[in-house]
Amino acid sequence: AQTVTQSQPEMSVQEAETVTLSCTYDTSENNYYLFWYKQPPSRQMILVIRQEAYKQQNATENRFSVNFQKAAKSFSLKISDSQLGDTAMYFCAFMRSTGANNLFFGTGTRLTVIP
Amino acid sequence: DTGVSQDPRHKITKRGQNVTFRCDPISEHNRLYWYRQTLGQGPEFLTYFQNEAQLEKSRLLSDRFSAERPKGSFSTLEIQRTEQGDSAMYLCASSRNEQPQHFGDGTRLSIL
Repeated sequence: AQTVTQSQPEMSVQEAETVTLSCTYDTSENNYYLFWYKQPPSRQMILVIRQEAYKQQNATENRFSVNFQKAAKSFSLKISDSQLGDTAMYFCAFMRSTGANNLFFGTGTRLTVIP
Repeated sequence: DTGVSQDPRHKITKRGQNVTFRCDPISEHNRLYWYRQTLGQGPEFLTYFQNEAQLEKSRLLSDRFSAERPKGSFSTLEIQRTEQGDSAMYLCASSRNEQPQHFGDGTRLSIL
C-alpha cells in the first residue's frame, strides 16, 4: 500500500520570501510519479509540479521547485518569491506507473502568504 | 480545453434520499476518476474509468454507490439511501492515459 505523509498542517511565509513544504511517502514500487497540487479556497485542485521517480534531476516550474530524495522517500516543495496568490492548501500526491494510476494524497499543508 | 465540469456545485439532501452527480471530463481524455474529500483531509480515490469501462473500485465505494460512464464521455456517480457519513466534497478528475489529472470544482454534498 502507498501512503503519503505531510507533517506540517499549517505554514505561513512573508510575501517575497521562500518557504519549503515537506512530504514523505512509502511504497515498494520502483517506478512512480510524485505531484504537488494546490487547492485555493473554494477553488479547484491545480497541478503545481510533477516528478518522475526515474529522473534524478529535480523538477522546476518557474518559482516552484522540488527536492526529490528517492532513497529517503522524500519530496519537498520549495516556493520562491512567495506571492499572495500562493495562499492555498498544498497536497503532495503519489501515483503508481502501472494499474489505475489513481492518486494517493497526503493530508495537506495550509499555506498562508502574509503581506 | 474547457476543463473538467461538475454538476451540481452543491447538493443538500435529507438522509435516506438518493443523489446523482455528473462529471464532464476534458473531451480528449480517456480516463476519468472519482475522489471523495472530507474536511481536513486529502482526496481519497473512489473509482476509475478507462473509456466506458470501470476498471477499479476502492473499498470505500460501498454497494450504495454506483458510477457509470456510458459511451466513454460524461460520468455519473449515484449514492443511494444517503447517510450522514456521505457528507463530503466529491471530486472528478480526467486525464489522457498516465498524464497528470485535471480536476473539476467538485460537488459538495451535505446530508441533513
